[in-house]
Amino acid sequence: EAGVAQSPRYKIIEKRQSVAFWCNPISGHATLYWYQQILGQGPKLLIQFQNNGVVDDSQLPKDRFSAERLKGVDSTLKIQPAKLEDSAVYLCASSSGTGQTGNTIYFGEGSWLTVV
Amino acid sequence: KQEVTQIPAALSVPEGENLVLNCSFTDSAIYNLQWFRQDPGKGLTSLLLIQSSQREQTSGRLNASLDKSSGRSTLYIAASQPGDSATYLCAAHGNYGQNFVFGPGTRLSVLP
Repeated sequence: EAGVAQSPRYKIIEKRQSVAFWCNPISGHATLYWYQQILGQGPKLLIQFQNNGVVDDSQLPKDRFSAERLKGVDSTLKIQPAKLEDSAVYLCASSSGTGQTGNTIYFGEGSWLTVV
Repeated sequence: KQEVTQIPAALSVPEGENLVLNCSFTDSAIYNLQWFRQDPGKGLTSLLLIQSSQREQTSGRLNASLDKSSGRSTLYIAASQPGDSATYLCAAHGNYGQNFVFGPGTRLSVLP
């Protein structure tokens, strides 16, 4: 079974530029998450999708971050304009559950962003 | 608001030792708790999931316990090996549709 796929793995951009990350979850997984992990910290949830609807985006900085999940499968996370403090690993994860039941979640390898 | 802490932040042990990693959470109204492993430059891999009605879960050399009343979980690793070197994170899943809240992790080094 293929895991959660993410691209690009690494990205370096200048502040005020834009960047987009792509995620393909495990086939059949209804719930998709985007997490931000700053070095030395645990992941912080940015947004959760159930199929193609948003369940929780309370911690998403909506003035600069946006995310969508096309047809309830792939997802894209965009940052525009980027700030230095956005330097982090962006982790995509998926789960077969509804997200309300705390099923096991499966993570991709992450997209490493450096903003200079 | 749920807060999750992990102590120690880093741990270095010789190969073969048994060890315990600690996880504390402030809100005992959790649905379940998961332990994850993260290797450098990689994503997180789920190790064990303990439902709120359970006291412990075991997988191979790993045993995780949960004490909701005290807001604590421990991950016990038996007969540690160099391949166990990684960062271990716990995450508490709240009731009422709340999502996982992660701790900062414990960075484990097992020396050959």
